[in-house]
Amino acid sequence: DGGITQSPKYLFRKEGQNVTLSCEQNLNHDAMYWYRQDPGQGLRLIYYSQIVNDFQKGDIAEGYSVSREKKESFPLTVTSAQKNPTAFYLCASSSKDRFTGELFFGEGSRLTVL
Amino acid sequence: QKEVEQNSGPLSVPEGAIASLNCTYSDRGSQSFFWYRQYSGKSPELIMSIYSNGDKEDGRFTAQLNKASQYVSLLIRDSQPSDSATYLCAVNTGFQKLVFGTGTRLLVSP
Repeated sequence: DGGITQSPKYLFRKEGQNVTLSCEQNLNHDAMYWYRQDPGQGLRLIYYSQIVNDFQKGDIAEGYSVSREKKESFPLTVTSAQKNPTAFYLCASSSKDRFTGELFFGEGSRLTVL
Repeated sequence: QKEVEQNSGPLSVPEGAIASLNCTYSDRGSQSFFWYRQYSGKSPELIMSIYSNGDKEDGRFTAQLNKASQYVSLLIRDSQPSDSATYLCAVNTGFQKLVFGTGTRLLVSP
């Protein structure tokens, strides 16, 4: 079955450590996105990529980094520069050539900083 | 002013009733509008999209758009306990990204 796989589902990190969240899709989608969700808040865009080897900052990119070396993969690194990293992280992809807003989401990764 | 506003709820309705969820947005240039459903602890899933003024029906769901009033709504007919979730309104402002509201929590009681 096609879909988006995020791993790990739960992750604990000590302050000062970098962590990388994996996102893999087999939907043959060109565009991929990373969102962050905090309790009682909507989704906020961290980074997005519309094509391999290219990505753009979203609204809250500070303290995060990404790469897009393969169409299927869009990993997110949460660096020690991110001051409040505890959150639910969602990876999404889109099949449309022209961005519309119809996104498919992975199951999410819940990061807790100890 | 937030770009996309929703009442956080919870909105409580009895089983079989119509649930009405509302959303307003600030950017008049917004082009397309979406409703995502998110169960507790899970990821959002797209349930409705609407691109032009008026109503769009899909099964028990009806999305309504009024661009002049900058207002989007979602009606759920014959509400079921399985509809209990948070409903996120999302707006494509034309800059290659979606802006999400904070969501309205819906509780459907048996």
